[in-house]
Amino acid sequence: DTEVTQTPKHLVMGMTNKKSLKCEQHMGHRAMYWYKQKAKKPPELMFVYSYEKLSINESVPSRFSPECPNSSLLNLHLHALQPEDSALYLCASSQQGPSSGERETQYFGPGTRLLVL
Amino acid sequence: AQKITQTQPGMFVQEKEAVTLDCTYDTSDQSYGLFWYKQPSSGEMIFLIYQGSYDEQNATEGRYSLNFQKARKSANLVISASQLGDSAMYFCAMREPRSTGNQFYFGTGTSLTVIP
Repeated sequence: DTEVTQTPKHLVMGMTNKKSLKCEQHMGHRAMYWYKQKAKKPPELMFVYSYEKLSINESVPSRFSPECPNSSLLNLHLHALQPEDSALYLCASSQQGPSSGERETQYFGPGTRLLVL
Repeated sequence: AQKITQTQPGMFVQEKEAVTLDCTYDTSDQSYGLFWYKQPSSGEMIFLIYQGSYDEQNATEGRYSLNFQKARKSANLVISASQLGDSAMYFCAMREPRSTGNQFYFGTGTSLTVIP
């Protein structure tokens, strides 16, 4: 089973709201990722968690705050967003094992379409 | 320099025909992985096929095959017998575990339209 789930599917929020995106996987993967994707562009990496610790933060503004409560869950807390933050937010996970090497595949969730008004 | 280059922003193919989507990559690592993903309009990125730098045979998965030419640093995706459901964006990606760990580099994508 290569399923990554994300909630909600769609989110509309004002610039003063606080909301959270959730991501869950039950594949025993130990690396989880947040990406932001604008229309007709490739995904842009935001954060990487490896063994529940933040390992990569790609200079993302502090209005985005990731959290990894356990190895299966990944949250993205949103606060005081701007209209330009409207995008598809994708979560992914990968095995992160000692034998995975270059073969380690990222599996993506269906994404959350975020609109900031 | 771009790590992954996809030079075809849009492609059209007749249903039941084969189509090749181009991907070239740039790395100085000996060990790397190449991946293709499909993204329909619904948004989910679907993993299609993987090719390792040390794999001697071209990868195949059902109607998908990867034409891997290491000396040319190309990893083209071939879709045989195209179906209407193949209409989507296709992204080529690369992983360099030694130098950049978990990070994936994505190309700019190719939008494929299958014509009935």
